[in-house]
Amino acid sequence: EADIYQTPRYLVIGTGKKITLECSQTMGHDKMYWYQQDPGMELHLIHYSYGVNSTEKGDLSSESTVSRIRTEHFPLTLESARPSHTSQYLCASSPTVAVYNSPLHFGNGTRLTVT
Amino acid sequence: GQQVMQIPQYQHVQEGEDFTTYCNSSTTLSNIQWYKQRPGGHPVFLIQLVKSGEVKKQKRLTFQFGEAKKNSSLHITATQTTDVGTYFCAGPDRGSTLGRLYFGRGTQLTVWP
Repeated sequence: EADIYQTPRYLVIGTGKKITLECSQTMGHDKMYWYQQDPGMELHLIHYSYGVNSTEKGDLSSESTVSRIRTEHFPLTLESARPSHTSQYLCASSPTVAVYNSPLHFGNGTRLTVT
Repeated sequence: GQQVMQIPQYQHVQEGEDFTTYCNSSTTLSNIQWYKQRPGGHPVFLIQLVKSGEVKKQKRLTFQFGEAKKNSSLHITATQTTDVGTYFCAGPDRGSTLGRLYFGRGTQLTVWP
């Protein structure tokens, strides 16, 4: 099983609060990703990083921000949580050693509920 | 961006029946990956296909990559209750072998005992 960790596992928070979802991996992977997934639905890429100090927005418009100061750490921050942010957030990582896209290793996810 | 279309969205089968999910792209894919997500879990990588016409097997699972590298399928023979979950295909950015992956909508498989 991949060594990628997400905390918290579950979070219930009120509207307007600032929250940070943590993601860490111990595999030394250069690439890291944040996906948003509603129950039983597709995965939407919201942010990705190809390495330290490299971050890009994904396809899903998101009011979140990310940072990549260290290879192993890729936190996601919501400055002001809203009920529309209620979802599951999945962090993933992959190495860049392969010629083709390397498989993604996913964390267990954070289930966020904004009341 | 790249779009990977996956059908069907849902599939309900009796245990022992076969199951197939299909993935299609409008453009040629350099490679395609398949993932399985159990209910309440996270996606787990199953396999990657890179060659035109490639066929790979994992026990009761058979993965195929089309000759034109625009479509792929996952076939499960004699389903078991442990096969329950959502199966996703994922393809890379158009023209890129190292870019990000785009996931299909997934096929939710339910297996009745």
